[in-house]
Amino acid sequence: QITLKESGPTLVKPTQTLTLTCTFSGFSISTTGVSVGWIRQPPGKALEWLAVIYWNDDKRYSPSLNSRLTITQDTSKNQVVLTMTNMDPVDTATYYCTHGRGTVFEDFWGQGTTVTVSS
Amino acid sequence: SYELTQPPSVSVSPGQTARITCSGETLPKKFAYWYQQKSGQAPVLVIYEDTKRPSGIPERFSGSSSGSMATLTISGAQVEDEADYYCYSTDSSGYHRVFGGGTKLTVL
Repeated sequence: QITLKESGPTLVKPTQTLTLTCTFSGFSISTTGVSVGWIRQPPGKALEWLAVIYWNDDKRYSPSLNSRLTITQDTSKNQVVLTMTNMDPVDTATYYCTHGRGTVFEDFWGQGTTVTVSS
Repeated sequence: SYELTQPPSVSVSPGQTARITCSGETLPKKFAYWYQQKSGQAPVLVIYEDTKRPSGIPERFSGSSSGSMATLTISGAQVEDEADYYCYSTDSSGYHRVFGGGTKLTVL
């Protein structure tokens, strides 16, 4: 059974760096074709794709946020970490991590973690 | 940046067929995916690779794609299908993913 869970701070100050951790079970990110992604949703707004990391350590980022995002994996801990620099109040959102395999994108989701950016 | 366009809202009566469209210039060459999000919950994949239905998703959910438009069809919509629906695909490079703006389905 595939499960994912996001963790990290609930409140960050403007200009700070956000670090979110996705801890998963039921699959290995080393398995060919597997990917773990991050998606966010501001309150009352649409979903927004942020980044994805693949089994072979290939990484892709949203073009609009590319300069602020870094995604890494720790296969020994079954974790994927997303960092976002220079946080702003507009980054207030629920952040989700997801599992994918091959061309089956985002077939499993974590419950999401809410991050508020405020001084 | 690449965009997918959905109608903001669709409304049907219970038992009717609901159709939600998604338009995008790369849809003729890239797969479309559909997610259902009920209030306060994480999204759920209901259609992948244009037409395929994950296990556990009711048969009344189906997907199609023609030209630059993908369509999610809910045949015999039920009250419990009331939710926000998002289409999802990639840009022309295939490297970057994008969501549509979402469609609020009302079954009333």
